[in-house]
Amino acid sequence: GAVVSQHPSWVICKSGTSVKIECRSLDFQATTMFWYRQFPKQSLMLMATSNEGSKATYEQGVEKDKFLINHASLTLSTLTVTSAHPEDSSFYICSAEVGADTQYFGPGTRLTVL
Amino acid sequence: QKEVEQNSGPLSVPEGAIASLNCTYSDRGSQSFFWYRQYSGKSPELIMSIYSNGDKEDGRFTAQLNKASQYVSLLIRDSQPSDSATYLCAVNSGSARQLTFGSGTQLTVLP
Repeated sequence: GAVVSQHPSWVICKSGTSVKIECRSLDFQATTMFWYRQFPKQSLMLMATSNEGSKATYEQGVEKDKFLINHASLTLSTLTVTSAHPEDSSFYICSAEVGADTQYFGPGTRLTVL
Repeated sequence: QKEVEQNSGPLSVPEGAIASLNCTYSDRGSQSFFWYRQYSGKSPELIMSIYSNGDKEDGRFTAQLNKASQYVSLLIRDSQPSDSATYLCAVNSGSARQLTFGSGTQLTVLP
């Protein structure tokens, strides 16, 4: 299957700082990537759809100015959590689309904001 | 609103038994259906995809789709303790190219 990597795998930061998470497709090109957030014992919540070379499409209720997404190349999308607060602590997972509809997930990034 | 419903479980089966996981969806326009496995603390891993009515088999896994009943299931034969995980059903309606996930069913296979 297609391989998607994420970096870092975990990060701890102080409240008010910004954190950047990278999502890479290692053995294929991904025009479309997705960013999800998962709180403990809950299912995945789609945050935004990232399309190479264009602005991301955010889901209702997701602040685009807080969660900055950049998809500058066909193998890299980044999510920056700006001015992070404890309530932003979560498991952030990206996925890359292969073909018309199949998504392969990265290993996830666990963010803890103190 | 598009919905995907799963029994949250937990579902416990003895080792070697068949585990049956069920999923219903609300959008009749859905075209693609996926089962993901998620171990605790890990990200989802794609197990099966199915697009047409009927059964699709891959090793110990069989996905079943019934579009008329808006129902998709996953059977795991000869269940192993390593199959213990949360299984997520995901549906793609085709129009938005996004997946709608169910809340997941937690499966425990008892040795």
